[in-house]
Amino acid sequence: ELKVEQNPLFLSMQEGKNYTIYCNYSTTSDRLYWYRQDPGKSLESLFVLLSNGAVKQEGRLMASLDTKARLSTLHITAAVHDLSATYFCAVDNVDNDYKLSFGAGTTVTVRA
Amino acid sequence: NAGVTQTPKFRILKIGQSMTLQCTQDMNHNYMYWYRQDPGMGLKLIYYSVGAGITDKGEVPNGYNVSRSTTEDFPLRLELAAPSQTSVYFCASGVTAGALHFGNGTRLTVT
Repeated sequence: ELKVEQNPLFLSMQEGKNYTIYCNYSTTSDRLYWYRQDPGKSLESLFVLLSNGAVKQEGRLMASLDTKARLSTLHITAAVHDLSATYFCAVDNVDNDYKLSFGAGTTVTVRA
Repeated sequence: NAGVTQTPKFRILKIGQSMTLQCTQDMNHNYMYWYRQDPGMGLKLIYYSVGAGITDKGEVPNGYNVSRSTTEDFPLRLELAAPSQTSVYFCASGVTAGALHFGNGTRLTVT
């Protein structure tokens, strides 16, 4: 069974500082996805990482994938209030290409 | 472009009642999914479909049924509702399994 673990589960950020969210997974996969969810809202796709060493950046967010370490990181640069949300990573289940396994999510709160 | 549309947005059911959650997408996606999200938790896959006429179980299918008669529609049926089915239900679709478009969710309470 594919397990996806995120840490931390809760992250209180100070505006202007840098932080990293980690996503570890238990079996071989080279496809990993990051989603954002605002409170009471739906999920929005942020990044699609499809190979070892993949790096994607959008604004203050940068995601990377190390398939050998089975690790993805979501780096936040100079946090701002608008980044307050819950961030999920999800991994393709290599035993079945049609299914994703989601992490529990990291709830981010950015304070002044 | 509407994307993925779910109805209803909210529903309260009594134990033992049944209902259908509707999901429609207008992006001609073959892959469609139903997830449930419990408070403070990630998403659990209930059922999925890789094309019209094809459905399969996810992690937590008990108490639910689906059908996929067209590419656009993927309704989720709850039979004999139980309090454990209180959750937020999300429908999603995609060209592939990973980069999914999610609907706005249905908040279901079973009392």
